[in-house]
Amino acid sequence: EVQLLESGGGLVQPGGSLRLSCAASGFTFSSYAMSWVRQAPGKGLEWVSAISGSGGSTYYADSVKGRFTISRDNSKNTLYLQMNSLRAEDTAVYYCAKDQLFQPAGDYGMDVWGQGTTVTVSS
Amino acid sequence: QSVLTQPPSVSEAPRQRVTISCSGSSSNIGNNAVNWYQQLPGKAPKLLIYYDDLLPSGVSDRFSGSKSGTSASLAISGLQSEDEADYYCAAWDDSLNGYVFGTGTKVTVL
Repeated sequence: EVQLLESGGGLVQPGGSLRLSCAASGFTFSSYAMSWVRQAPGKGLEWVSAISGSGGSTYYADSVKGRFTISRDNSKNTLYLQMNSLRAEDTAVYYCAKDQLFQPAGDYGMDVWGQGTTVTVSS
Repeated sequence: QSVLTQPPSVSEAPRQRVTISCSGSSSNIGNNAVNWYQQLPGKAPKLLIYYDDLLPSGVSDRFSGSKSGTSASLAISGLQSEDEADYYCAAWDDSLNGYVFGTGTKVTVL
């Protein structure tokens, strides 16, 4: 069964750091781009970051550029999101999602999603 | 604020047809494929339509997508109570060099 399982969410103070993980199973992880998408409470979906299957190309939303870093370990079938300098507006459910292509061009969309992990930034 | 604009809500009676519009620009919909996602209450999003009008395996053919210029549409025919959800369009944006979601549309079955 194709599955994504996020972990690492929690409560963190403004300015703090957190690392999210997403464990993949049931497919050839290195063959597909991966993304992080977040959803603030009561709000819509916001794409955060994407990474190619090899990890050689990364992309970020302007709202997180310079603060968040996406990476992957294909030997461990795991996707990561390192989040630094966290702000209240980063509070959201964070989903990892599998692209249908090797490069995150977006044309074929994200066909597998995790259940999400909640990040709360508050003092 | 999203660069893809959708109506906040649409409603229709069971067994009827609804359409959801998604308006963008030449840097996103006008030059890249559109995808649609369904998000049931409290659940993760689900890919509903990809590459403008293709259905993933297992998705009901009551759902259909289309695109013209810088706009796209999602149609749901034979509306059912289980279709009550939020729907999002999405596309790659060449100017932002990133993926963008629409503002989202809540579908209510009367």
